[in-house]
Amino acid sequence: GAGVSQTPSNKVTEKGKYVELRCDPISGHTALYWYRQSLGQGPEFLIYFQGTGAADDSGLPNDRFFAVRPEGSVSTLKIQRTERGDSAVYLCASSLMRGGLDTQYFGPGTRLTVL
Amino acid sequence: QKEVEQNSGPLSVPEGAIASLNCTYSDRGSQSFFWYRQYSGKSPELIMSIYSNGDKEDGRFTAQLNKASQYVSLLIRDSQPSDSATYLCAGTNSGGSNYKLTFGKGTLLTVNP
Repeated sequence: GAGVSQTPSNKVTEKGKYVELRCDPISGHTALYWYRQSLGQGPEFLIYFQGTGAADDSGLPNDRFFAVRPEGSVSTLKIQRTERGDSAVYLCASSLMRGGLDTQYFGPGTRLTVL
Repeated sequence: QKEVEQNSGPLSVPEGAIASLNCTYSDRGSQSFFWYRQYSGKSPELIMSIYSNGDKEDGRFTAQLNKASQYVSLLIRDSQPSDSATYLCAGTNSGGSNYKLTFGKGTLLTVNP
């Protein structure tokens, strides 16, 4: 079956611009996660959705970052006034339901480069 | 600050050998642990999950968990060049945020033909 998909695969933008990154989870997965992976590091948690609501956004670095999931499926991560330090691979994952026993399946990621 | 520590490597083994990857974690309440494989420029792919103390085997892979020592390991038997990748260890947070994975930095494994 189809896995997690993310678009675009690459995004190059200029400092100060606004970007949107899209994630389409595995069909039927109610839980959705965003992570950020910098070079040489493991993924770092940003936000978790259970259905339409953001159940935990404690990993978002600051108020320039925002994410939505209006219909409980596709999610969009939005970054305002981008900074060079935002450059990283943004990974989306989904799982069947909340819980530590769930396996999180990752999408291919969006590589964001802020010039 | 919950942490997962891994030796960054690189770990180099000859083809056919056993590769041993290790991980320690600071959150004593962590319940579930996962090993992901990540090829360069690709996304993490789940290799093994383990929730109970002891060993769990799946093909050439064996995960080991020791909660008393807060230690997780992954053994790869009969290593193949296609196993060359970065291996990420991850554990769930304790308490009400057990959906949240904390990852180590990863260990780069190279299997030499």
